[in-house]
Amino acid sequence: EPEVTQTPSHQVTQMGQEVILRCVPISNHLYFYWYRQILGQKVEFLVSFYNNEISEKSEIFDDQFSVERPDGSNFTLKIRSTKLEDSAMYFCASTGTGVKSEQYFGPGTRLTVT
Amino acid sequence: KQEVTQIPAALSVPEGENLVLNCSFTDSAIYNLQWFRQDPGKGLTSLLLIQSSQREQTSGRLNASLDKSSGRSTLYIAASQPGDSATYLCAFYTSGTYKYIFGTGTRLKVLA
Repeated sequence: EPEVTQTPSHQVTQMGQEVILRCVPISNHLYFYWYRQILGQKVEFLVSFYNNEISEKSEIFDDQFSVERPDGSNFTLKIRSTKLEDSAMYFCASTGTGVKSEQYFGPGTRLTVT
Repeated sequence: KQEVTQIPAALSVPEGENLVLNCSFTDSAIYNLQWFRQDPGKGLTSLLLIQSSQREQTSGRLNASLDKSSGRSTLYIAASQPGDSATYLCAFYTSGTYKYIFGTGTRLKVLA
């Protein structure tokens, strides 16, 4: 069964460093998302992406964040200068032909900023 | 601002019980609603998706219903098992958006 994959599973970085989280969505999917979940809190939307541009972004997704689909298979989230409060689990998701069809989530990347 | 509330926040039941998890939302312009399961430290596993035109969906021992007029969805788990222990999340799209709004989750523990 097709699945969304994410790498790395765990990333530890120092405050102020840049990180890139990688996702490979399901191959024929067209809509891509990033969400995050701070430990003990609920899952929060960051950004949605379609046709090589951002469809919607949340207040969390400020200038420190960017997304890219560099090669038609990977979907990346970059945080330019990490802060302690960026420590969270980051989930990538994708949906198929309909933007509001079932979302498939990856296993997540745990980001720890020290 | 859309709010999604899940009640109860935590639930502990003996094995074999039938149980109901509740999800309430404030925006009736819901497009679809999806129930997920999350094991500790893990990702989100999709359980059921209900489109706005549907009233319920069933998969095995799980049944989810959607009542847009009252702003509620319920997840019914029949004959609960210890392996059902996890956090259950509801999330939905509303018209005109490109994101899921997630609920606060219900942490379920089924005792053997």
